[in-house]
Amino acid sequence: DAKTTQPNSMESNEEEPVHLPCNHSTISGTDYIHWYRQLPSQGPEYVIHGLTSNVNNRMASLAIAEDRKSSTLILHRATLRDAAVYYCIPPRGGTYKYIFGTGTRLKVLA
Amino acid sequence: DADVTQTPRNRITKTGKRIMLECSQTKGHDRMYWYRQDPGLGLRLIYYSFDVKDINKGEISDGYSVSRQAQAKFSLSLESAIPNQTALYFCATSVRGVGTGELFFGEGSRLTVL
Repeated sequence: DAKTTQPNSMESNEEEPVHLPCNHSTISGTDYIHWYRQLPSQGPEYVIHGLTSNVNNRMASLAIAEDRKSSTLILHRATLRDAAVYYCIPPRGGTYKYIFGTGTRLKVLA
Repeated sequence: DADVTQTPRNRITKTGKRIMLECSQTKGHDRMYWYRQDPGLGLRLIYYSFDVKDINKGEISDGYSVSRQAQAKFSLSLESAIPNQTALYFCATSVRGVGTGELFFGEGSRLTVL
């Protein structure tokens, strides 16, 4: 099973870019990398996912290392509403058995 | 109305009581999941089901059971609740698909066992 490693917490100033790293050195070749976030008092919500190429959507960008052993979620301009816990989740061998770790708690400073 | 609905949203019960948390979805997804979240911790997978006849244990299934009554309904039961099962429980759904399988979460059910 793929295991992920994320920093416990990070801080960013409002309107600055934020790079949230994730190591997933044991990911299999066909596993997609998913990112979710959990806002205070809410259930997690999908942010972005990718396989090999960098991906962009309205919420964020995902940069995936060439060897796929790490990825970085990029918030281009952090806002106070982006303060949340961010989870990096590689599915387990294509089973779609999503295992969440403890994630990275992002604090955005005004 | 929410696509993934959990009932009850809050429940206080006593040790030894049987408790059922229910989850229903209108998204037409075949995959459903139950997670628990403890304060300051991430989510831990309890059970998951890929269709009505396919139910699988997750990371922490001891003390829990589930029932997939229909594609749209997935219930979590605590046969004899104990205080360390006090937690926030989330139901989630996803659709079958290569690489996607985006999870959609309910609003959570907060359970307190006294």
